[in-house]
Parts: sequence; structure tokens; C-alpha cells
Amino acid sequence: EAQVTQNPRYLITVTGKKLTVTCSQNMNHEYMSWYRQDPGLGLRQIYYSMNVEVTDKGDVPEGYKVSRKEKRNFPLILESPSPNQTSLYFCASARNTEAFFGQGTRLTVV
Amino acid sequence: DAKTTQPPSMDCAEGRAANLPCNHSTISGNEYVYWYRQIHSQGPQYIIHGLKNNETNEMASLIITEDRKSSTLILPHATLRDTAVYYCIVRVARRTSGSARQLTFGSGTQLTVLP
Repeated sequence: EAQVTQNPRYLITVTGKKLTVTCSQNMNHEYMSWYRQDPGLGLRQIYYSMNVEVTDKGDVPEGYKVSRKEKRNFPLILESPSPNQTSLYFCASARNTEAFFGQGTRLTVV
Repeated sequence: DAKTTQPPSMDCAEGRAANLPCNHSTISGNEYVYWYRQIHSQGPQYIIHGLKNNETNEMASLIITEDRKSSTLILPHATLRDTAVYYCIVRVARRTSGSARQLTFGSGTQLTVLP
């Protein structure tokens, strides 16, 4: 089954404690991206990757890092999380016209 | 990408057709109309897309007006599981995977299917 898998689904952490949210897709897509969703602000793109070792900033990249060492994985790294990064995060991969989204990671930073 | 306007909310009776409108009066000739939906706090799900002609798949039909300034997504027999926020997005479709990048999701239409 074609899917994008994120882990963990839920995470509560403390300010400043580094964390990684993993994202994996099994569709051999070149393009992957990360979004965050906040009430009243909709879905906003954080980072995207056009292919292995090719990443670029989206609309709200501050406070985040990504890496793309292999095609299937695109982890999102928060080096020093802050409470304003409390949000619902979605990973997506895409072929020509259709994007596939993961089930989301609800992150709370206290 | 052209801006879209959708009603904030709509209700539909279970089993009836749900018709969700979208205005995109500034759409340009090479821009497609895409529809996604998001069931509460789940990842958005692709539904359908089209350029000029009406399109149909197993999930829905897309009717695009002749002037392309508006479109309607039709769910022919809405079920309770179709309750979701529906997003209409207009953007250029390219032959590379970058065409689906940076999808701009507006506020969408909250469709509530009533029993």
C-alpha cells in the first residue's frame, strides 16, 4: 500500500531538548516536504526536497532542519524546540500532480 | 498561483449529492484546479484535478465552467465519512514532481454530512 509514514504520532517535549520526527515514503517519489498546521493559519510549508541531497526552505523554516540522505526518508529536526513550535506537522511526498500526506505528528513543547 | 474563494461551511444530507463551489476568477490558462480534503486532523487527501474538461474518478466529479473562473466538486452520494474540510487549489501542473510542491491551502469549506 502506497503510504507516507510519520513517527511519532504524538510527542510532548520540553523546551530545548532536540527531537527528530521521521518521515518515510514507499512510492519512490523524488519530492518530499514538511508542513505545519496551526489554527487560523492553515497549512504552511517548512522545508521541501526535490531529490536526494537537495533541500530548500519553504515559508516557515526558522527553527527547523531537514536532511535527505536517501530517497525514502525525510526527517524533520528541531535542534532546540520552543513552545511556538507546538503544532500539527505533516510530511508529504509527491509525484507529478498528486501529493500524499502522512497522518500527522502532534507536537507539544512545554 | 491564482487565489480561490470558497464558502466557509456547508451541510449536506447523507446520501444526497454534495456540491462544493470554488471561485477562481484570476485563473490563468496553464493553471489546473485541484481538490484536496482533510478529515479532522488527518493528512490532506488528494481528490481530483482538472484543467478545462469535466473530470470524474471514483471519489468525485469536477465541473469547471467554460470560462474556467469557477468550479464545483461533486460528491454524488455523500456519507458521514465525507465530513471534512475541502480545499480548492489552483496552480500550474508540471511534468516534474515539483508541480505538487508548496501547495497553498486556504481556509477551505467545512462540509458536514448530516444523518
